[in-house]
Amino acid sequence: EAAVTQSPRNKVAVTGGKVTLSCNQTNNHNNMYWYRQDTGHGLRLIHYSYGAGSTEKGDIPDGYKASRPSQENFSLILELATPSQTSVYFCASGDAGNQDTQYFGPGTRLLVL
Amino acid sequence: QEKVQQSPESLIVPEGAMVSLNCSFSDSASQSIWWYQQHPGKGPKALISIFSNGNKKEGRLTVYLNRASLHVSLHIKDSQPSDSAVYLCAVSKDNNNAPRFGAGTKLSVKP
Repeated sequence: EAAVTQSPRNKVAVTGGKVTLSCNQTNNHNNMYWYRQDTGHGLRLIHYSYGAGSTEKGDIPDGYKASRPSQENFSLILELATPSQTSVYFCASGDAGNQDTQYFGPGTRLLVL
Repeated sequence: QEKVQQSPESLIVPEGAMVSLNCSFSDSASQSIWWYQQHPGKGPKALISIFSNGNKKEGRLTVYLNRASLHVSLHIKDSQPSDSAVYLCAVSKDNNNAPRFGAGTKLSVKP
């Protein structure tokens, strides 16, 4: 089965600090995604990528940057973390050959104090 | 951008009941619809997808898509306590457009 891993699994950060969330996939999928999940909002799309070197803005990109240095790795960067970015973050890879069915990682729980 | 709405927000049913979950979307050009299942503390997992108008059956799951009314439903037959989870509907236009998700329906199946 497709494998997506995320690190760290839990993170406590201070307001104004820099946070980097990492995602690795071994599926050789071109597409990768970052979502955040908050109660009542479901999964909201932050950034996504169609391949190494590409990043696209999703629906809520403000305050976030993304980096796709390779097929396998996709990072989400919070340059100046704020308490409103406290959330659970999910990374996914997408199988474009199967109508982009997504395979999700286990999530990173981020608390910004 | 695509708007996806799910109903009900939550549902409690007895074991063995038929469960019906609803999802409406805003863009008639949407091509692909998925249902994902998410257990507490886990990432979502794809359950079933549909791309053509009509219905699709896989085991205890049946999904109905009506493009004219921009509506898709998921039906779970003979529900089990292990089906207790949040069910997410995701919609996209094509492989070049990232899927958008609804807020989910929390299902509890009581033994």
